[in-house]
Order: sequence, then structure tokens, then C-alpha cells
Amino acid sequence: RKEVEQDPGPFNVPEGATVAFNCTYSNSASQSFFWYRQDCRKEPKLLMSVYSSGNEDGRFTAQLNRASQYISLLIRDSKLSDSATYLCVVRDSSYKLIFGSGTRLLVRP
Amino acid sequence: DAGVTQSPTHLIKTRGQQVTLRCSPKSGHDTVSWYQQALGQGPQFIFQYYEEEERQRGNFPDRFSGHQFPNYSSELNVNALLLGDSALYLCASSGTGKETQYFGPGTRLLVL
Repeated sequence: RKEVEQDPGPFNVPEGATVAFNCTYSNSASQSFFWYRQDCRKEPKLLMSVYSSGNEDGRFTAQLNRASQYISLLIRDSKLSDSATYLCVVRDSSYKLIFGSGTRLLVRP
Repeated sequence: DAGVTQSPTHLIKTRGQQVTLRCSPKSGHDTVSWYQQALGQGPQFIFQYYEEEERQRGNFPDRFSGHQFPNYSSELNVNALLLGDSALYLCASSGTGKETQYFGPGTRLLVL
């Protein structure tokens, strides 16, 4: 079983739609959680950290459920520029980041 | 303020050869991590350097080795290249006690 699992997609949505991605992680000792965004042939860039209380950054909302070991990302009012791969990332008690394989989002006009 | 830089951007090698990839961390950062990203996969942790020492290592063979210099820059060396080593190699830097890692643009390695 992979340490971080994501639906690979692609999610194909129209502009203005709301889309949600989910992610599960296997290590209950995981301490920190993130969503990174990766454009085609580019490096991953931090989108947002994820906190147990949930957090919002503009059109993006992230939620963490430690009991279910589940992380989500909600994107409201999708823009064409949101088209990318979204990587779910966890860090356990060590220093390394553990990445999911990513969920691909395509926003169409 | 320069971000993380890596060189070269692209590299083509043949099986059995050796390769050295280079990384300069973001200004003010002292910790460098290396990741391998195969096509269609998420990045996989190779190792992390702090204070010129390998602090943690992922599940990669000894063919993968690294170094960190006093100016915090780092090198990744891969010996006896295999076709399966073809990937995007990403360097990430972070500051002391900070968990957020910032990635460089990567080096795309093709092994023929």
C-alpha cells in the first residue's frame, strides 16, 4: 500500500466549477500536511499547508481529518490557470516529505 | 532574492556512466533535500543534507550519494547509471527548523 494515495484523475471541469480532491495517508504518526501544485514539466510549488482546524486561502480550502487519515482540497470558481497536477504531501516525524502521485485537474473554457 | 537553482537543466547519459547534479539553495536556507520524480509519479525522497552531513536517507541504493558544501550548496552523484534512473531530479531547500521546502526547477536526466 502506498504511504499517500490520491485519485490520479484527470478531473475535467468547466470554468467556474467547484472541484474537490481527496487524499489518504497510512502513517498515523504523520505530523505535517501540505498541498503542492505542479505544472507540466515544472517543479512542485507549495499551494498551502493543511491544519486540523481547516484553512482557507482565497478560492482554496484544505481540510484534515486525523482520525480518518484523510486530507482534502476544495477549489471554488475554477480558473483556466488552475489546470495542473495537485500533489498531496505528508511529513512524519522525520525530515522527508512523502508525496502522493498527484491528481490532474483540467479546467476547460 | 534568488530561489533554488539547479544545473544542468537537461542531461543525457548512457548506461554505466556516472553523473553529478548541482543545487544552490534559496538565500538563507541551510538544508538541502534531493528527490527523484519518475514520469507520472510524485517525487521520491533520496536524502537530506544539513551541516554538510547526510541527515536522512530514503530507499535508494548506495549508487546515489551526495555532498553538501560549506556554502550550503549540494551535489547529487549517481554511479553506474541504469535505464530506470531516467527521471526529473529535484532539489529542495529549507531553513533551520522550518519544514516548508522550496523546490528548484529540476534536472531532467535521460539514460540511454
